[in-house]
Amino acid sequence: QVQLMESGGGVVQPGRSLRLSCAASGFTFSSSGMNWVRQAPGKGLEWVALIWSDGSNQYYVDSVKGRFTISRDNSKNTLYLQMNSLRAEDTAVYYCARAGSAAGVYYFDYWGQGTLVTVSA
Amino acid sequence: DIQMTQSPSSLSASVGDRVTITCRASQSISSYLNWYQQKPGKAPKLLIYEASSLQSGVPSRFSGSGSGTDFTLTISSLQPEDFATYYCQQSYSSHTWTFGQGTKVERK
Repeated sequence: QVQLMESGGGVVQPGRSLRLSCAASGFTFSSSGMNWVRQAPGKGLEWVALIWSDGSNQYYVDSVKGRFTISRDNSKNTLYLQMNSLRAEDTAVYYCARAGSAAGVYYFDYWGQGTLVTVSA
Repeated sequence: DIQMTQSPSSLSASVGDRVTITCRASQSISSYLNWYQQKPGKAPKLLIYEASSLQSGVPSRFSGSGSGTDFTLTISSLQPEDFATYYCQQSYSSHTWTFGQGTKVERK
């Protein structure tokens, strides 16, 4: 079955960096667009970044542009999120999610369990 | 950016009740609208995609409708496992996808 397993979360000081990973299995990773979605404590969901199946294009929410980089290694079935210049407002559970699609409508059909990132001095 | 507004933000209901949640987009999004269920401490789960298509494995008591700017998620007969928070999400805007703020369904 489809499995997405995030890792790399933790406590980090403001201005520092952190890299998240998401190991995928149970589907053809190299054929799937992948996303990061985050959820601040007690808050709603926020889409963060998307990368196409071949890694050729990446898209970001405005609040992380220039600070976060989404990437993937299709030979390792792994998705990454490099987070630089972290701010307190980046504190959240970060989920990786597969981009499914039907008739041109994209949705998040499989999700990992999430990894918590806490930005605090 | 397309803004998604859900109403109500929370509601109280009993097992067996019919529950309706509304999602409104700030501009027309055709049928590019999805619904998710999230339980505390868990990842969201896709329920409905393309406004009205039921995701595989999701009970038929869940249904979605609407197009353009106004959408609804209906639970025809609320079950104990349906107490959760529900989110709508648009995928109309090119690679900038947004969620509604969520609707928490609580036990009356």
